[in-house]
Amino acid sequence: AQSVSQHNHHVILSEAASLELGCNYSYGGTVNLFWYVQYPGQHLQLLLKYFSGDPLVKGIKGFEAEFIKSKFSFNLRKPSVQWSDTAEYFCAVNALAAGNKLTFGGGTRVLVKP
Amino acid sequence: DTEVTQTPKHLVMGMTNKKSLKCEQHMGHRAMYWYKQKAKKPPELMFVYSYEKLSINESVPSRFSPECPNSSLLNLHLHALQPEDSALYLCASSQVNGGPYEQYFGPGTRLTVT
Repeated sequence: AQSVSQHNHHVILSEAASLELGCNYSYGGTVNLFWYVQYPGQHLQLLLKYFSGDPLVKGIKGFEAEFIKSKFSFNLRKPSVQWSDTAEYFCAVNALAAGNKLTFGGGTRVLVKP
Repeated sequence: DTEVTQTPKHLVMGMTNKKSLKCEQHMGHRAMYWYKQKAKKPPELMFVYSYEKLSINESVPSRFSPECPNSSLLNLHLHALQPEDSALYLCASSQVNGGPYEQYFGPGTRLTVT
């Protein structure tokens, strides 16, 4: 069975600081990888996705993520955060063999101080 | 249109009530999903419908009964729920063939069981 772990439960940082959120998954086969964001009071939105090709993917709002297959990792980064990046961030994995099943990590709450 | 709509936004029901949650999408997606999200937790998959047929049931108690009357609509019928079933219920949809594809989420129905 696939599982996803996110290293940090809570992150607090100041505006203009750099952000990196860790995500590791446990599944040996082919996977599709996602980062979703949930802003306060809003629905889950897709930040970025990796299916194949260039392991460095760019998403919306200046976010990027790097897939490192050997480390089973898909870490999310943003060079300079804004107060509006305050949200909960979820890494999610879909194993090809699992069909349409999407498994989420535990989430990381990010608070950006103005 | 990349919107998934859910009604109602909030629902309070007693343990003996019968109620239904509704989800609608007009993106032509042929896969639809129900997730349950408890406070400060990630979404957990409940059911997957593919081409209006139930393809995944994650061992959900029978007091939750899904229904997919057509390719745009997904219902979740609730009966004899327990207080621990109080949660945010999320609907999502995605394409199916030729994937992989990301899932689009609705805003959710916040359910309180009294």
